[in-house]
Amino acid sequence: NAGVTQTPKFQVLKTGQSMTLQCAQDMNHEYMSWYRQDPGMGLRLIHYSVGAGITDQGEVPNGYNVSRSTTEDFPLRLLSAAPSQTSVYFCASSWIPGGDTEAFFGQGTRLTVV
Amino acid sequence: KNQVEQSPQSLIILEGKNCTLQCNYTVSPFSNLRWYKQDTGRGPVSLTIMTFSENTKSNGRYTATLDADTKQSSLHITASQLSDSASYICVVSWNYGGSQGNLIFGKGTKLSVKP
Repeated sequence: NAGVTQTPKFQVLKTGQSMTLQCAQDMNHEYMSWYRQDPGMGLRLIHYSVGAGITDQGEVPNGYNVSRSTTEDFPLRLLSAAPSQTSVYFCASSWIPGGDTEAFFGQGTRLTVV
Repeated sequence: KNQVEQSPQSLIILEGKNCTLQCNYTVSPFSNLRWYKQDTGRGPVSLTIMTFSENTKSNGRYTATLDADTKQSSLHITASQLSDSASYICVVSWNYGGSQGNLIFGKGTKLSVKP
């Protein structure tokens, strides 16, 4: 199984540009989430989804949009990129949110906004 | 405020030696505690998950302990190998909204194993 697949792995954007980070999982997990990882900080939750058609905000949602049209896919959209959004982004999935089940992470997308 | 604190921030050990990483948390209500290994440029990979009632759990050379009374956990690595060089992240899950959990991440301990 591929697990959680993120694309692209690297991206450079100019301030004001928009883009979509892709995330797909093939484990039929209901719960998917997006995190950002910044130097000297723990991973922070951006948005999450408990199933197709259901999304909610996490700790740092501003500047990002998500949608969940299928169980497999959970794209993250940057509406108007800002230098503060330079970070490494991780998508994760699990059977249920925060339960005693393993969360699987993608390989990450390293985004630089100039 | 829900927090997860890890120590030390970084650690250098010689190959073959043992080491112990620490995690203190102030997360409530507590659901479970996880340790993840994150290699450079990769996503975190789960090592162990412990619930309130579990005191210890092993995964090969990795042994995690949990003291729910003092809200402390440790990760012990035995007979370290070069491939153990990575960041180790302590993560605590809590119940938000009654039915949905949430994960609180520590900043990680960066371990370097030298030959």
